[in-house]
Amino acid sequence: SQQGEEDPQALSIQEGENATMNCSYKTSINNLQWYRQNSGRGLVHLILIRSNEREKHSGRLRVTLDTSKKSSSLLITASRAADTASYFCATDATGAQKLVFGQGTRLTINP
Amino acid sequence: DVKVTQSSRYLVKRTGEKVFLECVQDMDHENMFWYRQDPGLGLRLIYFSYDVKMKEKGDIPEGYSVSREKKERFSLILESASTNQTSMYLCASNTHRERNQPQHFGDGTRLSIL
Repeated sequence: SQQGEEDPQALSIQEGENATMNCSYKTSINNLQWYRQNSGRGLVHLILIRSNEREKHSGRLRVTLDTSKKSSSLLITASRAADTASYFCATDATGAQKLVFGQGTRLTINP
Repeated sequence: DVKVTQSSRYLVKRTGEKVFLECVQDMDHENMFWYRQDPGLGLRLIYFSYDVKMKEKGDIPEGYSVSREKKERFSLILESASTNQTSMYLCASNTHRERNQPQHFGDGTRLSIL
């Protein structure tokens, strides 16, 4: 069962620009997580936001969560070529640490 | 840093073979997970385990089984491999000693069934 839907499916921007990716989900959650996946590699955890939080920052990353709209966004500021990757949101609905992933956004940063 | 190691990056097997994918983590995590990743479908949970000898079905367990005899090791077994099991397989782990913990992933095994 795919809970998260990500938008856009693919995004291509110039280096230095900001990149915004969105995630929508269907059921109530305990937390929402964002992961990055470089081509052919495993997923790397970026940031976790709890259901009672509205915004969280980590370096150049900013995540927002709107539980009333069941949506989240990931903003990457001042993008770099190394940010080229696929980005996935994942929701933990039960607190049992079991995640349901979206299909991902493929981000390309052009030098 | 947590390290999750999958035994093979690439694996080619034949239809009907019994296939073992191995995953080892070094952080004493209680929870371990197996996913498969396919284009357009994202990550789908096959099986997970909350403790040694415990296992629970995920969303797509058909055609798979798992083994967790030791805390650090979680094996995925394809009982009789079929071509529709060609995929990228990802193992992950985390702890349930604290709430709201991220999962740590291995680099994946790209499995081709011929």
